[in-house]
Amino acid sequence: QVQLVQSGAEVKKPGASVKLSCKASGYIFTSYYIHWVRQAPGQGLEWMGIISPSGGSTNYGQNFQGRITMTRDMSTSTVYMELSSLTSQDTAVYYCARDPRLTGDSLLDNWGQGTLVSVSS
Amino acid sequence: QSALTQPASVSGSPGQSITISCTGTTSDVGSYDLVSWYQHHPGKAPKALIFEVSKRPSGVSNRFSGSKSGNTASLTISGLQAEDEADYYCCSYADSNTYVFGTGTKVTV
Repeated sequence: QVQLVQSGAEVKKPGASVKLSCKASGYIFTSYYIHWVRQAPGQGLEWMGIISPSGGSTNYGQNFQGRITMTRDMSTSTVYMELSSLTSQDTAVYYCARDPRLTGDSLLDNWGQGTLVSVSS
Repeated sequence: QSALTQPASVSGSPGQSITISCTGTTSDVGSYDLVSWYQHHPGKAPKALIFEVSKRPSGVSNRFSGSKSGNTASLTISGLQAEDEADYYCCSYADSNTYVFGTGTKVTV
């Protein structure tokens, strides 16, 4: 079955970087975009960016330009999202989600379990 | 890239129908038929209910339906049930292969 398994919770200090992983299984890795979405405490969902696993091309949300990097490792079917210059405002649950738009319908049809990132001094 | 505008909360009685609006601009909702809707129960991963304005993924109840007019998309939940109590988010493709979520709506049954 389709699974997106994310890395574990992180605790970071302000100014640090965090790199999260999202390991895909149960489907053809290169046929689906991967999005990253986050939810801060008490806030709504916020779109962060998208990566095409086949070619590695990326697009990022304006709020994250300059401090977000998405990469992928085709040998392990894993996508990474690195966010730098962390502040307390980056405390959130981060999700990865699959999108079949490359070959068909456009929706985030499978989601990872989420990773809590806490930023505190 | 501002969030799409949704009402903060909507409530209804069991069996009733409710509609949640999602207002964007000509750069997102108004220009693309790539609006999707997600149900989010606290502590769980979001679940896709509607994609491409009005299509339902396999396994999603036909009590959920979507539509769009101009810059505003809508999600209707008919035959409201207790388990529909959750947060709901719209999401639209925007320019340059980016996306934007709505502000979210808390549905109370």
